[in-house]
Amino acid sequence: SQQGEEDPQALSIQEGENATMNCSYKTSINNLQWYRQNSGRGLVHLILIRSNEREKHSGRLRVTLDTSKKSSSLLITASRAADTASYFCATDAPYSGAGSYQLTFGKGTKLSVIP
Amino acid sequence: GAGVSQSPRYKVAKRGQDVALRCDPISGHVSLFWYQQALGQGPEFLTYFQNEAQLDKSGLPSDRFFAERPEGSVSTLKIQRTQQEDSAVYLCASSSRQGPYSYEQYFGPGTRLTVT
Repeated sequence: SQQGEEDPQALSIQEGENATMNCSYKTSINNLQWYRQNSGRGLVHLILIRSNEREKHSGRLRVTLDTSKKSSSLLITASRAADTASYFCATDAPYSGAGSYQLTFGKGTKLSVIP
Repeated sequence: GAGVSQSPRYKVAKRGQDVALRCDPISGHVSLFWYQQALGQGPEFLTYFQNEAQLDKSGLPSDRFFAERPEGSVSTLKIQRTQQEDSAVYLCASSSRQGPYSYEQYFGPGTRLTVT
């Protein structure tokens, strides 16, 4: 079953605009990650934010996490055509002394950046 | 440094056939994961290995699915008596994590399985 749910399901913007994607999840998490998937490069890790962090930056990416609302957002600034891809949030559960720390992915947001 | 590799990249199987999908993780990575991704969906967890030990197989959909990692490096996912609903992309990921916090996972390109 998929814990995260991204919103919107699809987003189309012009090159140079900012893109914001949201993720909501249901149960407590240890941390939250964002991944990008396109046909050329497969699934690639973008950024990881821990449950005790509220905001994180990496290049043109900005991620926020609100554990009280069980939600996260990914902002891509100054988008490029090469950012066209599907974006997934993925969560893992708090450490319980055993287990796999499996990632639970959402269904993704399909971003199209028009040149 | 090579990334995670998977083979074959594409596999077509007739319903009822057995298939074996291979994953070569990044050298030295302790953790190895298998995921199944249906069209238009996010990846769904199948199973996890820490070295050669299979610590979590809670995501395997049926007893037709079997995974192994006998020497703690290469892993094989085997599906017996394939069914049409097994058609999906099978992704392998590895991670260097060993402690209580999860780390980023490095994914292979996947094997697209089509069962006819």
